[in-house]
Amino acid sequence: GESVGLHLPTLSVQEGDNSIINCAYSNSASDYFIWYKQESGKGPQFIIDIRSNMDKRQGQRVTVLLNKTVKHLSLQIAATQPGDSAVYFCAENPTSGTYKYIFGTGTRLKVLA
Amino acid sequence: DTEVTQTPKHLVMGMTNKKSLKCEQHMGHRAMYWYKQKAKKPPELMFVYSYEKLSINESVPSRFSPECPNSSLLNLHLHALQPEDSALYLCASSQVHRRLSNQPQHFGDGTRLSIL
Repeated sequence: GESVGLHLPTLSVQEGDNSIINCAYSNSASDYFIWYKQESGKGPQFIIDIRSNMDKRQGQRVTVLLNKTVKHLSLQIAATQPGDSAVYFCAENPTSGTYKYIFGTGTRLKVLA
Repeated sequence: DTEVTQTPKHLVMGMTNKKSLKCEQHMGHRAMYWYKQKAKKPPELMFVYSYEKLSINESVPSRFSPECPNSSLLNLHLHALQPEDSALYLCASSQVHRRLSNQPQHFGDGTRLSIL
């Protein structure tokens, strides 16, 4: 299940199930979006990106969906594995042509054995 | 192993000290970034360098002074920091692409800074 509160939102998923992590972005002019995975003690690691002229992009076991109408981004992870346990951040580029990125609040994914 | 190397991994300093954080990449990336990350929070952008020139300063206090001496190196000079500056400082780099202006960032594993 998913919990939201004063702490980092957490999504708990059974190993082998699919995970869906959601992100609401703030700026309707944002044209580039990235998903990052951050494990404990490490820096964010690039997973997948998508530009605003697309609504879906697939990678290895991951799919990103972009709904510009409601300013919503999601990351789907197929057949979730214990190694997927981490904090996941979405990031948006609100001003095209600059290198400014704004990160979402993050979601902790816990994979249950 | 990350392709962006940050040193030191940990740093403890007093409020009157002067220290520097270092970041190095050899991927030919011409955009480099400093972020600050507090526990359980997302990274917050501090500075961006593009082609070794400062292009974004997110109203960061002057006790943080960035420097980009060449295309592979990025420093963050620290002076007279406050306890609330204790955080993980992350460096990142990305390609600069003329037509596709945005490219994924590659992060280092950060320097964990503690101010006494």
